Amino acid sequence: GESVGLHLPTLSVQEGDNSIINCAYSNSASDYFIWYKQESGKGPQFIIDIRSNMDKRQGQRVTVLLNKTVKHLSLQIAATQPGDSAVYFCAENDRRRSSGSARQLTFGSGTQLTVLP
Amino acid sequence: SQTIHQWPATLVQPVGSPLSLECTVEGTSNPNLYWYRQAAGRGLQLLFYSVGIGQISSEVPQNLSASRPQDRQFILSSKKLLLSDSGFYLCAWSRGGDTQYFGPGTRLTVL
Repeated sequence: GESVGLHLPTLSVQEGDNSIINCAYSNSASDYFIWYKQESGKGPQFIIDIRSNMDKRQGQRVTVLLNKTVKHLSLQIAATQPGDSAVYFCAENDRRRSSGSARQLTFGSGTQLTVLP
Repeated sequence: SQTIHQWPATLVQPVGSPLSLECTVEGTSNPNLYWYRQAAGRGLQLLFYSVGIGQISSEVPQNLSASRPQDRQFILSSKKLLLSDSGFYLCAWSRGGDTQYFGPGTRLTVL
């Protein structure tokens, strides 16, 4: 069936190093992808998004890469800081599960990023 | 700028009691509104979404219901809570486009 999943449930990186969080999706109809950051006890926070007509998009210290051939999405965080410690979710927009302007997102289970001092 | 509020922040309720969680959005009009549930250590499960006042779509059968009495107000309810209703409930909004923005969430514990 359709799924959005993450390769690793946990990731530990040294402060200052770069982090790479991966996500696989199986729905070839997905045309929009989002990365969210969720700190403990809080709601998910939007980080960056990318549409299927793009391969790469950069934000402040973050880069999202999309490989449609292998249905793979990654989030790269440069110079990881202690404040980056959180659970990171990828989400996909399944066009077939949308009603009008209400897009229905399918979320992965998340990766716990821990930044070591 | 837009802001989204949820209350209460935490709630402990006995099995069989009613539930009412509220979500309001400020700074936008005619938003799409969503209710999600997140179990511990898990991803987000879409429960309901609404594209307008009085318009509710349900994603999964359950003993929960949703209502949208005003443009920027979304309410999640239950007549009788079950133990399995425990979780972290998140409200989100979107404005036409794909990006959904989440509220701070409500932690519900059913005992």
